[in-house]
Amino acid sequence: DIVMTQSPLSLPVTLGQPASISCRSSQSLVHSDGNTYLNWFQQRPGQSPRRLIYKVSNRDSGVPDRFSGSGSGTDFTLKISRVEAEDVGVYYCMQGTHLLTFGGGTKVEIK
Amino acid sequence: EVQLVESGGGLVQPGGSLRLSCAASGFTVSSNYMSWVRQAPGKGLEWVSLIYSGGSTYYADSVKGRFAISRDNSKNTLYLQMNSLRPEDTAVYYCTFSGYWGQGTLVTVSS
Repeated sequence: DIVMTQSPLSLPVTLGQPASISCRSSQSLVHSDGNTYLNWFQQRPGQSPRRLIYKVSNRDSGVPDRFSGSGSGTDFTLKISRVEAEDVGVYYCMQGTHLLTFGGGTKVEIK
Repeated sequence: EVQLVESGGGLVQPGGSLRLSCAASGFTVSSNYMSWVRQAPGKGLEWVSLIYSGGSTYYADSVKGRFAISRDNSKNTLYLQMNSLRPEDTAVYYCTFSGYWGQGTLVTVSS
């Protein structure tokens, strides 16, 4: 089974400052079809998860361009260029290359 | 517009059974792969089961042999039959498809 490891667990950030979340997989997420199925989700308090990024770096419709995803193979990053108050919540990476596995989550809060 | 509406959650005693439903609209359930994901109170996201368009089904080790995923094409609905429920199955259960999530349904296993 693929294990997804996120860091940090908690990320206090100042409004307007950048933030970065790391996600590492225990094996390569490159699928036999050539795609890398690594997604990022945001879960605001009391809400269902919302997908932000799919296949490493593709933003979903309606997602602000301050969110970006990058990486390859086993190392991936979600970046928020300038954190806003509405970005508070827990962020999860998820691999879909071999079944599904979620990372443990990173809680983003405002300092 | 894609919509996923889960139902069927509730309070059940250990060893009991429940069947969750996920009514889908805006797309065809049988043409896509769909998943169930759960979230225990205060915890992260855990993948439970998925069904591919071809009908193949997969389960997390924690539920294998106890849960069964299925779909009714005529009703465009996804199901999760949960048997031999344990207290550790207590969670909000979400159905998800291609980045879309329902609002979830709460399952509580307790005597």
